[in-house]
Amino acid sequence: GIQVEQSPPDLILQEGANSTLRCNFSDSVNNLQWFHQNPWGQLINLFYIPSGTKQNGRLSATTVATERYSLLYISSSQTTDSGVYFCAVDPGNMLTFGGGTRLMVKP
Amino acid sequence: GAVVSQHPSWVICKSGTSVKIECRSLDFQATTMFWYRQFPKQSLMLMATSNEGSKATYEQGVEKDKFLINHASLTLSTLTVTSAHPEDSSFYICSARSGEQFFGPGTRLTVL
Repeated sequence: GIQVEQSPPDLILQEGANSTLRCNFSDSVNNLQWFHQNPWGQLINLFYIPSGTKQNGRLSATTVATERYSLLYISSSQTTDSGVYFCAVDPGNMLTFGGGTRLMVKP
Repeated sequence: GAVVSQHPSWVICKSGTSVKIECRSLDFQATTMFWYRQFPKQSLMLMATSNEGSKATYEQGVEKDKFLINHASLTLSTLTVTSAHPEDSSFYICSARSGEQFFGPGTRLTVL
């Protein structure tokens, strides 16, 4: 099956810093989504981005489908950004998740 | 975005008992729903795809007789963990697609 790798696995930031999270995938995909899992386990949809670039406030994402990677940018990080960020790809009709990036933003 | 609910949010049961978890799409219809399991500090692993009006499709290594899935309507799928054991303790999450996939809040199962 398709392989999804996220980097870095862990990231510690000082509040206000910027960061880039990466997602590499091994095969062509129909869709790609980024999620933030909060401390209570809820997965929050951030972006639905099979290709191109999208922005939502301090977050933006870019997917280069031909090169099989996606990037999630977090600018001016806040303590509430802490949690786990997952990339998930859909090569056909179901999502396969990457291992996640565990982010901690310190005040 | 679309809303998916799960019930219960947490459950504690004795070893050998069965537990039912409900997943509902609140503002859209879903012919297909998905069940995932997540162990502490790990990613989500797909257990099965729930199809309305037909049998579920299980991923390799998931026991279909232990994890019974029923998708009786376009807004409800249920997962029953039968004869639960401590190793079944985990965080179970369902999802449904409305364009993109939306996830329920999860159910934390603890088997004593």
